[in-house]
Amino acid sequence: AQTVTQSQPEMSVQEAETVTLSCTYDTSESDYYLFWYKQPPSRQMILVIRQEAYKQQNATENRFSVNFQKAAKSFSLKISDSQLGDAAMYFCALKTSYDKVIFGPGTSLSVIP
Amino acid sequence: NAGVTQTPKFRILKIGQSMTLQCTQDMNHNYMYWYRQDPGMGLKLIYYSVGAGITDKGEVPNGYNVSRSTTEDFPLRLELAAPSQTSVYFCASSPQVTNNSPLHFGNGTRLTVT
Repeated sequence: AQTVTQSQPEMSVQEAETVTLSCTYDTSESDYYLFWYKQPPSRQMILVIRQEAYKQQNATENRFSVNFQKAAKSFSLKISDSQLGDAAMYFCALKTSYDKVIFGPGTSLSVIP
Repeated sequence: NAGVTQTPKFRILKIGQSMTLQCTQDMNHNYMYWYRQDPGMGLKLIYYSVGAGITDKGEVPNGYNVSRSTTEDFPLRLELAAPSQTSVYFCASSPQVTNNSPLHFGNGTRLTVT
């Protein structure tokens, strides 16, 4: 069975600072994909960044980057130069070859002006 | 191109009633998913489908049924609604082209069972 764990229910960061959100997962598959989604109060689900498990290089999208540690089954999200618009729920998700997409419980991020 | 459309946006059901949550997508995606999100929680997979005529259970399928007769539509049926099914329901789809394709979400249906 696949599982996704996010151990930080809530996080806060000062505007312009950097914050890292943690995610660990478990799967017996060797081929899988990892995602971070953002959910603002509007409830819309927005893709932040994605990572293929077979790629060693960490994915980067502008101010967002990941630290993918395959052996440790860890997939953390780093947000640099935090902005007020980054305040949201952040969900880590795992997609395996069986095409299931499983989400973690989420981390609520607050940005302090 | 409307993307993923869910109807209704809101619904209140009495215990024991039944209803169907509609989901349709116009992107010709093969994969479709139903999730529920309880307050302050993550998304739990109810059912998913990898193509017309094919459905499979997710993490929390009890109390729900689905069908996938066309590529576009993936309705979720609630039989004998219970208060535990009070939640926000999200439908999502993704193409089969590459496995790293993200999910495209609908705007959700807020369901209250009283």
